[in-house]
Amino acid sequence: AQSVTQPDIHITVSEGASLELRCNYSYGATPYLFWYVQSPGQGLQLLLKYFSGDTLVQGIKGFEAEFKRSQSSFNLRKPSVHWSDAAEYFCAVGERGGSYIPTFGRGTSLIVHP
Amino acid sequence: NAGVTQTPKFQVLKTGQSMTLQCAQDMNHEYMSWYRQDPGMGLRLIHYSVGAGITDQGEVPNGYNVSRSTTEDFPLRLLSAAPSQTSVYFCASSSAAGAFGEQYFGPGTRLTVT
Repeated sequence: AQSVTQPDIHITVSEGASLELRCNYSYGATPYLFWYVQSPGQGLQLLLKYFSGDTLVQGIKGFEAEFKRSQSSFNLRKPSVHWSDAAEYFCAVGERGGSYIPTFGRGTSLIVHP
Repeated sequence: NAGVTQTPKFQVLKTGQSMTLQCAQDMNHEYMSWYRQDPGMGLRLIHYSVGAGITDQGEVPNGYNVSRSTTEDFPLRLLSAAPSQTSVYFCASSSAAGAFGEQYFGPGTRLTVT
């Protein structure tokens, strides 16, 4: 079964600084990979996804993520963080040819200082 | 499209009471699932359904029942509420035509059991 690790529980950055949130997965083949964002008091919204092809994927709100097979990673990046990016971020992995139910990481809480 | 809707938004129950959390989607998605979110635990899968009349257990099914009589609706029943079921509950749906794991989430129900 697949698993997802988000090693950082909290990340604090200053507004305007760059951001990288880490995600490592365990899965035997190339998985489907997702990043979701949850603003306070809201449900989860899909930021971006990787299925195949170009390993650098662009998402909404200026986010991007890079799939690195050799490192089993799918880290989320943003070059300049805005105060409105403060939220909980979840990495998820879906199994090709298997269940439609993804496995989620425990989340990383992003705090943005003015 | 309304997407995924959940009612109620907030609920307070006494220990031992029963209730049903409602979830509906208007995207004709085959797959629906229920999660609970607790601090530091991420999202944990309670039950899921791969189509009308078909349900299965997730990671934390005890104390909860589900049924799927239509494609649109997937209610979650708490049989006898316990304080350990205090949580935020999210319903999600996904399409068999989409990627494995790309889910659409409802806004959540915040449940407190006293």
